[in-house]
Amino acid sequence: DTAVSQTPKYLVTQMGNDKSIKCEQNLGHDTMYWYKQDSKKFLKIMFSYNNKELIINETVPNRFSPKSPDKAHLNLHINSLELGDSAVYFCASSRVGQYQETQYFGPGTRLLVL
Amino acid sequence: DQQVKQNSPSLSVQEGRISILNCDYTNSMFDYFLWYKKYPAEGPTFLISISSIKDKNEDGRFTVFLNKSAKHLSLHIVPSQPGDSAVYFCAASMTDSWGKFQFGAGTQVVVTP
Repeated sequence: DTAVSQTPKYLVTQMGNDKSIKCEQNLGHDTMYWYKQDSKKFLKIMFSYNNKELIINETVPNRFSPKSPDKAHLNLHINSLELGDSAVYFCASSRVGQYQETQYFGPGTRLLVL
Repeated sequence: DQQVKQNSPSLSVQEGRISILNCDYTNSMFDYFLWYKKYPAEGPTFLISISSIKDKNEDGRFTVFLNKSAKHLSLHIVPSQPGDSAVYFCAASMTDSWGKFQFGAGTQVVVTP
């Protein structure tokens, strides 16, 4: 009965590869997010989707492409992986995309690029 | 440009005592603040929030204080318990930001018996 789930939990891959991370929420929320936690431990928002529509797109390389097939899923595809992409990626969701809405986070995907 | 800062990376406190975590922000447009708690290998979970129209919000053992003039907020945990050992993130957002939270780097709290 996990509220926000991510797969895989761990991902080790070589530079230059393409990989995807999947996220699903069963909370009935309208808005989903991707965050990156870098080596300095800051959680930085990358993207936000509301009802499958992109509403936040921070300064993220074009190699990162989110896709929301329906409002319960938000996947992150990364092309041509680089060493600097190594981080923990968290998916989150909220009831709506308002500034006072609590965001519920998944367990994170630990990506290591070698 | 890091607009939310938690200058203490770690805090050690004895069980039963008070834990005080601090957070500073630079953007005066922030009007909603949250604290999240994170255990290892898990995602952050919401703990408590405060709107800028208030200067205090309490929920059980957790109290958040907001000082808008100093652009400072703090989280008090009284009494601290071993299960409170975790990383605590401060986050801030503003009206019309579409849920765009700015997070601090976190403070690792260790509660010792």
